[in-house]
Amino acid sequence: DIQMTQSPSSLSASVGDRVTITCRASQGISNYLAWFQQKPGKAPKSLIYAASSLQSGVPSKFSGSGSGTDFTLTISSLQPEDFATYYCQQYNSYPFTFGQGTRLEIK
Amino acid sequence: QVTLRESGPALVKPTQTLTLTCTFSGFSLSTSGMCVSWIRQPPGKALEWLARIDWDDDKYYSTSLKTRLTISKDTSKNQVVLTMTNMDPVDTATYYCARILYGGNHAYFDYWGQGTLVTVSS
Repeated sequence: DIQMTQSPSSLSASVGDRVTITCRASQGISNYLAWFQQKPGKAPKSLIYAASSLQSGVPSKFSGSGSGTDFTLTISSLQPEDFATYYCQQYNSYPFTFGQGTRLEIK
Repeated sequence: QVTLRESGPALVKPTQTLTLTCTFSGFSLSTSGMCVSWIRQPPGKALEWLARIDWDDDKYYSTSLKTRLTISKDTSKNQVVLTMTNMDPVDTATYYCARILYGGNHAYFDYWGQGTLVTVSS
């Protein structure tokens, strides 16, 4: 199975900040990577697929990059509604696997 | 408008079989490129992918759970059913279904259900 490792596990930031979350795959996955946002008690929301393509309706403040084994999710100009847990997921091969999550908290 | 909704028992006893149903609308699983997956999340923990079924009835399973899982579809009812045998307290989790959409070479999640919490306890 491909292991996905996110860093950091938690992150404190202020409204207006720009933050970057990193996801590393244990082997190359080309650009078969997605990002999700999850708020407490809610289902995940799909943000990005193909490493950098925004899902419909997702604001452009979210951006993704990377290929192979190293990927990033960047959120610009943080707003209160952006504080949540973020997960990466590879779909290059079965079984699909998720990262352990990055909790983004308000400083 | 695409929606998915999970249903099933909130409480099951150890060793029992869990049956969950995902009822969806806004798309058909008989349409090429459409797939539905199940994912679970133990309380306070990360997401774990379980299984996937495609429009052509291809099926894929978690490596660690494949001996316990069965996924099936009823296209006429717009439903996908997941069964998990020999339930254990460690299987306590919120279970989600989600649509997978094929776009080019990419098969990615887009819409998720709200999830259903299943507790395994005697």
